Amino acid sequence: AQTVTQSQPEMSVQEAETVTLSCTYDTSESNYYLFWYKQPPSRQMILVIRQEAYKQQNATENRFSVNFQKAAKSFSLKISDSQLGDTAMYFCAFMKGQGGSEKLVFGKGTKLTVNP
Amino acid sequence: DSGVTQTPKHLITATGQRVTLRCSPRSGDLSVYWYQQSLDQGLQFLIQYYNGEERAKGNILERFSAQQFPDLHSELNLSSLELGDSALYFCASSVDMGLNQPQHFGDGTRLSIL
Repeated sequence: AQTVTQSQPEMSVQEAETVTLSCTYDTSESNYYLFWYKQPPSRQMILVIRQEAYKQQNATENRFSVNFQKAAKSFSLKISDSQLGDTAMYFCAFMKGQGGSEKLVFGKGTKLTVNP
Repeated sequence: DSGVTQTPKHLITATGQRVTLRCSPRSGDLSVYWYQQSLDQGLQFLIQYYNGEERAKGNILERFSAQQFPDLHSELNLSSLELGDSALYFCASSVDMGLNQPQHFGDGTRLSIL
């Protein structure tokens, strides 16, 4: 079974600075997808960024980028120019590729606080 | 707004009771997923339906059941409720079973068991 580990329960960063959230996963699959979801205090689950394991290029979405290290099974999220609205729980998630259920396996989350 | 609608937003009930949570997926989405978010277990996959058929099952208790109707909305039924069932229940939907299809989440139903 796949597992996702987020080793940082809580982090804080000053507004406008850069922060990196860590995520590692364990799988024997070669084809899979990785995601970061954001859950603000409003409790919505919002997709931040996704990465296909077969793509070597790291995904980027505006101020959000990932560092995907397939061999190390690591998938960290970098938030640049942090904004107060980035304050939220961040969940790393794994999804098996072809032939598997499309269910998401989530880590326990990292609570990020952006300070003014 | 994700386009996924969950009702009700909050539900308070007592142990032993039965409740039904409802989910309307985004227009055009055929696949519906149910997740449970609790303090001790985190976010866990419960069950997936695709176009009316059960597709995958996760850690769903026997007291829980779900279905997807012809209009593609889905219901999650929870019976013989226990204190430990208190959680936030999310529904998510995606276009189909195709890969690289992001799941869009509803705002969740907060279930509190007294």
